[in-house]
Amino acid sequence: EDQVTQSPEALRLQEGESSSLNCSYTVSGLRGLFWYRQDPGKGPEFLFTLYSAGEEKEKERLKATLTKKESFLHITAPKPEDSATYLCAVQAYTGTASKLTFGTGTRLQVTL
Amino acid sequence: NAGVTQTPKFQVLKTGQSMTLQCAQDMNHEYMSWYRQDPGMGLRLIHYSVGAGITDQGEVPNGYNVSRSTTEDFPLRLLSAAPSQTSVYFCASSKDSSGANVLTFGAGSRLTVL
Repeated sequence: EDQVTQSPEALRLQEGESSSLNCSYTVSGLRGLFWYRQDPGKGPEFLFTLYSAGEEKEKERLKATLTKKESFLHITAPKPEDSATYLCAVQAYTGTASKLTFGTGTRLQVTL
Repeated sequence: NAGVTQTPKFQVLKTGQSMTLQCAQDMNHEYMSWYRQDPGMGLRLIHYSVGAGITDQGEVPNGYNVSRSTTEDFPLRLLSAAPSQTSVYFCASSKDSSGANVLTFGAGSRLTVL
C-alpha cells in the first residue's frame, strides 16, 4: 500500500527564515511525486511534479527535491503570503494512472 | 476559463437525507474524480471517471454514487447521508488518466450531516 508521511505537521517561521518541509513516501513504482499548496477554504493548487531521484524544480522562493525515499520542499526567505498548507502526493504505476495518495500536509505560517 | 466548478459551497443535511454535489469542468478533461478531506487525514479518493460513461471506485466509495453522462459533469450523490460523511469534498480533473497528469481542483463543498 502506498504511503505518504509529511513532517512537521505545522511550522511557524519569521519572514526571511528559510526552512524545509519533508515528505517521506513508500510506493510500488513511482510514476510521479506532486506538491500542492492549499489556502484555507480553497482547493489544492499545483506547484511541482518530480519524476525521478535527483530531480529538482524551482518556483520563486520554493524548491522541490526528490530522493528514492523522500522529497523536500525548501522555502528560501519566506514571506507572509507563503503561509498555507503544503500537500505532498505520490502516484504509482498501478491501475488508473491518476490515482494519487496524499499526505496530511504541513501547515506553514510565516510571520512578520 | 472557470476551471473546476463545485456547487454548493456549503450544505447541512439531516441523517438519512439525500443530496447531490455538482462538479463541472470546462477544460475538456477526460479524467474526473472526487476526494474527501478530513482533519488529520490526507485527501482520500471516493470515485473517479476516465471518460464519459466510465466510472470506478476509489479508496472510500461506500455511501456514494457517481455517474458521468458528459465529459463536463461528474456529480456525486449521497443516497442516505450519515454523520460520518461530514467532510469537505473536492472535485478534481486532469487531461487524461495516463501519465503523471496534474490535477486541477475545485474550491470544495463543505458538508455537515447532523
